[in-house]
Amino acid sequence: KNEVEQSPQNLTAQEGEFITINCSYSVGISALHWLQQHPGGGIVSLFMLSSGKKKHGRLIATINIQEKHSSLHITASHPRDSAVYICAVTTGANSKLTFGKGITLSVRP
Amino acid sequence: NAGVTQTPKFQVLKTGQSMTLQCAQDMNHNSMYWYRQDPGMGLRLIYYSASEGTTDKGEVPNGYNVSRLNKREFSLRLESAAPSQTSVYFCASRRQDGSNYGYTFGSGTRLTVV
Repeated sequence: KNEVEQSPQNLTAQEGEFITINCSYSVGISALHWLQQHPGGGIVSLFMLSSGKKKHGRLIATINIQEKHSSLHITASHPRDSAVYICAVTTGANSKLTFGKGITLSVRP
Repeated sequence: NAGVTQTPKFQVLKTGQSMTLQCAQDMNHNSMYWYRQDPGMGLRLIYYSASEGTTDKGEVPNGYNVSRLNKREFSLRLESAAPSQTSVYFCASRRQDGSNYGYTFGSGTRLTVV
């Protein structure tokens, strides 16, 4: 069983919809990261959080430490949000990342 | 622009050839990492360097060596490339303050071993 599980594996939405992407983890963590990767592109760090909730533009990330679960919400989705969204956790003093497999999001106009 | 620079962006090697992937960051980060990304696997850590002068193995180090040349540069070497090393390689560096983002990734190197 992977230490970081993401669901659903693939997600299709219509432009304007509210989107939720989930991440569950099974280990103790010091932080959880949400990353974005466009097709053929590099990886961009969206959020790093260890408790509560963070917001940046149309993106909101939440984490529940007790339930070992995090969600990434996208409000008013747009085709440019189409990308792979990767959840990763940091464990240990050296802050090495353990990654989920990522979720492919497609937003249709 | 500040960030992590990886070279080359694309490379095709024959089995048994050697090459070095270069990575440099200009953000004065202490920690640097090499990951590989394979379909259906997620990213996996090859090697990391917590600070200048130190390197440690990650999850999949076999067939690779690294050098932390100075604080800015962290290179990954394949001594004798194998088809199983066909992958996309990402270098990353890390801030160690309380910032929102933490990690900065390079744009990746797509390596094919034939």
